[in-house]
Amino acid sequence: KAGVTQTPRYLIKTRGQQVTLSCSPISGHRSVSWYQQTPGQGLQFLFEYFSETQRNKGNFPGRFSGRQFSNSRSEMNVSTLELGDSALYLCASSLEQRGPYNEQFFGPGTRLTVL
Amino acid sequence: AQSVTQLDSHVSVSEGTPVLLRCNYSSSYSPSLFWYVQHPNKGLQLLLKYTSAATLVKGINGFEAEFKKSETSFHLTKPSAHMSDAAEYFCVVIVLSGGYNKLIFGAGTRLAVHP
Repeated sequence: KAGVTQTPRYLIKTRGQQVTLSCSPISGHRSVSWYQQTPGQGLQFLFEYFSETQRNKGNFPGRFSGRQFSNSRSEMNVSTLELGDSALYLCASSLEQRGPYNEQFFGPGTRLTVL
Repeated sequence: AQSVTQLDSHVSVSEGTPVLLRCNYSSSYSPSLFWYVQHPNKGLQLLLKYTSAATLVKGINGFEAEFKKSETSFHLTKPSAHMSDAAEYFCVVIVLSGGYNKLIFGAGTRLAVHP
């Protein structure tokens, strides 16, 4: 079974631009979560989608948004990029995040550099 | 609020010697605790998990962790380090947020293994 894939793997943008990152979950997984990883703040939860609905959200500004499609693929968008948005963005998929915990499987991440 | 504290940001060992990565947790009820590993340019991989069954948990690649409620600890150990164990390790606690599971990550411990 193929793992979680994220595209692109690397991205360079300039301040003020916007960016869209993509995540394809493991086949059959309907829950997709996004995380931001930086040296200063570590790994922080952004949001979680299930069946095209955002169910859970971390403490990030509204510039960070996402969506999920009917095939469970998810995209994350960051508008008006700031230098501090430079990070590794990780996507994780699982069967379900309600009730007993189901293991989240992580993709390799997209490394975003904002200049 | 539930949280985890990883007591060492860097640990360095020689190949063939034991590994100890320390994690303390804070929780008002019996927590679900995990250890994840992240190799360079890779996503996170689940090493092992504690979900209130046996207090000594065995994981992949020879790692194990012991849940000690009296010490609020969940330290990760391995009897003999391999060069391939060099990576960053994260202690994680699951919290319930609005009925859904959310991962709270420790700051990470970078393990270096020397020949």
